[in-house]
Amino acid sequence: QKEVEQDPGPLSVPEGAIVSLNCTYSNSAFQYFMWYRQYSRKGPELLMYTYSSGNKEDGRFTAQVDKSSKYISLFIRDSQPSDSATYLCAMSAGSGGGADGLTFGKGTHLIIQP
Amino acid sequence: EAQVTQNPRYLITVTGKKLTVTCSQNMNHEYMSWYRQDPGLGLRQIYYSMNVEVTDKGDVPEGYKVSRKEKRNFPLILESPSPNQTSLYFCASSLFSGWDEQFFGPGTRLTVL
Repeated sequence: QKEVEQDPGPLSVPEGAIVSLNCTYSNSAFQYFMWYRQYSRKGPELLMYTYSSGNKEDGRFTAQVDKSSKYISLFIRDSQPSDSATYLCAMSAGSGGGADGLTFGKGTHLIIQP
Repeated sequence: EAQVTQNPRYLITVTGKKLTVTCSQNMNHEYMSWYRQDPGLGLRQIYYSMNVEVTDKGDVPEGYKVSRKEKRNFPLILESPSPNQTSLYFCASSLFSGWDEQFFGPGTRLTVL
């Protein structure tokens, strides 16, 4: 199974709010978890990368992984209009000698209202 | 500047007319792949390559071909395009593996009439 579930939104919040984005998955072999940000008419860019369970913080962004619940989250503090984008979760089991690719969620469209 | 480039960025063609979308990276990455992005379906991997002359199918390979004759280039070939291949295509590269950070190109929007 490779399915990853992600609410497509759109999610609209006022500037300065805390944003919570989430994905659930069914494959217990996934151990590499990523969040990509995609602006309109652009390719995705890596935002956060986490291995196994736990939290990772980078500036206003925090990624959380709960492997026991098969649930990952991305929190954005003090959200800015420039954070308006589509956020894609992605994950991999990291097997196959390097061949194993990423399974992406469908993406959540986030709108930060000024 | 480290980047992945794709050409063309936009293409409108007709059913059955062979086309090639080029992809090039200047980061000396070993792993390269092609994705298509469709509304409601997300990003899905078409083909990937772990190094020169090493390619393999991803999740949705039907109707596509690839080649990897040089490390930097990974063209996507549609020998007989059909309307269901209308999509937004992304090339991506990473250092070694499919789970390393993927660097994406700007995308190619393909319409097949």
